[in-house]
This record gives sequence, structure tokens and C-alpha cells, in this order.
Amino acid sequence: LAKTTQPISMDSYEGQEVNITCSHNNIATNDYITWYQQFPSQGPRFIIQGYKTKVTNEVASLFIPADRKSSTLSLPRVSLSDTAVYYCLVGGNTGGFKTIFGAGTRLFVKA
Amino acid sequence: GAVVSQHPSWVICKSGTSVKIECRSLDFQATTMFWYRQFPKQSLMLMATSNEGSKATYEQGVEKDKFLINHASLTLSTLTVTSAHPEDSSFYICSASAGTGVEQYFGPGTRLTVT
Repeated sequence: LAKTTQPISMDSYEGQEVNITCSHNNIATNDYITWYQQFPSQGPRFIIQGYKTKVTNEVASLFIPADRKSSTLSLPRVSLSDTAVYYCLVGGNTGGFKTIFGAGTRLFVKA
Repeated sequence: GAVVSQHPSWVICKSGTSVKIECRSLDFQATTMFWYRQFPKQSLMLMATSNEGSKATYEQGVEKDKFLINHASLTLSTLTVTSAHPEDSSFYICSASAGTGVEQYFGPGTRLTVT
């Protein structure tokens, strides 16, 4: 299973764009990259998933370079309610695709 | 999106008793379910993976006789913490996958407190 490395914490202000980068140097060919958001005492919530290049949905964008050894979650114009822990997971369909959570990134959005 | 529920959302039990936590996929069939535990300010730790109709696969260091997992149907998995002790107090989270992709859908979690 590919191990992921993220910054432990990040601070931002309301209205700013936040980019959180995740390193996954030993990502396998069939691995996808998935980002989750977790608030205290709640289960993780799916944000976005991608395999390569760029993926965009209504809440975020995911940028994946050609070598796929890293990925960047981009949150446009964050608000106070985006204060949470963000996890980058790497996993594939092989063997039941279990995923291992890294430490995650604690994002603090200030007014 | 796909919805996963957990019951109960919180439970307090006495040391030595057993507690059962249910995880249900409400609008899809979950071929695979995962159980995690999370201590305060820490990440989720995978405990076991269960596939419908077969025995669960436990992660290293997780006692299978203490944490009994049953995945009897495509919409229900249960985790039973047997002979609970205060150190078992934690936030237990399940997730489910339909098996058609790599996306997991997480339940809201169950807060277990053992006194």
C-alpha cells in the first residue's frame, strides 16, 4: 500500500484559496487518489477522487502531475466551515482496495 | 450519494460487558465493509476488512477474538467489542464499498466509552 505524506497543519483566512499537497512516491499503477474531509466526532466525508491530470467538482479541484507521485487538493475561497482535517488516501482495486489513513492535514480557517 | 449509517451513535458500558455496533449501507449493496477506530486527535486506524459471507481480515495487532466482526448481508456489518475495558474507549467508524470502484462511504461513527 502506498504511504502518503501531508503537512501536519495549515492556516488560512476566509476567502483565500488553499492548496494541500500530498506525497505518495510509491503509488501503484492501479491506485487512485482520494481526498476526504473530517470534522470532529464525525466520519470522513468524500471530497474528490482522481487518477491523473486534473479533476474538478463543485467543492474542490485535484491536480495530479504526470508521474503521479504527488497530488494537490485545491479548495477555492475557503470559509470558516472548511476548518477540518483533510486526508489523502491512495488505493486501488487489487485485493479489496483497503486504504490506510495517514496523519492528515489540519486546516484552520481564520476570519 | 451513498449513505452509511451506524447505530448507536454513542454508547456507555461497564467494564467487562460486550457492546455491538451496527453498520448499514442504506441505499446500496456493500460487498466490502471496513472498520476503523480513532483516538482523540489521531488518524483513523484500520481494524479489519470484511466481505459479505466470509470471515473478516484483521490488521496486525487487532485481536479478532475481542473485536468480533460479522458481515452477514450486503447491507449490514456488525462489530462486537467483547469484554470491553476502558482502553477500548474510542470512536469507531465503519465504511462501505459497493465494489465497483475504490470509493468508500463512511458512517457517522460510534463513540464508545467504557467505565
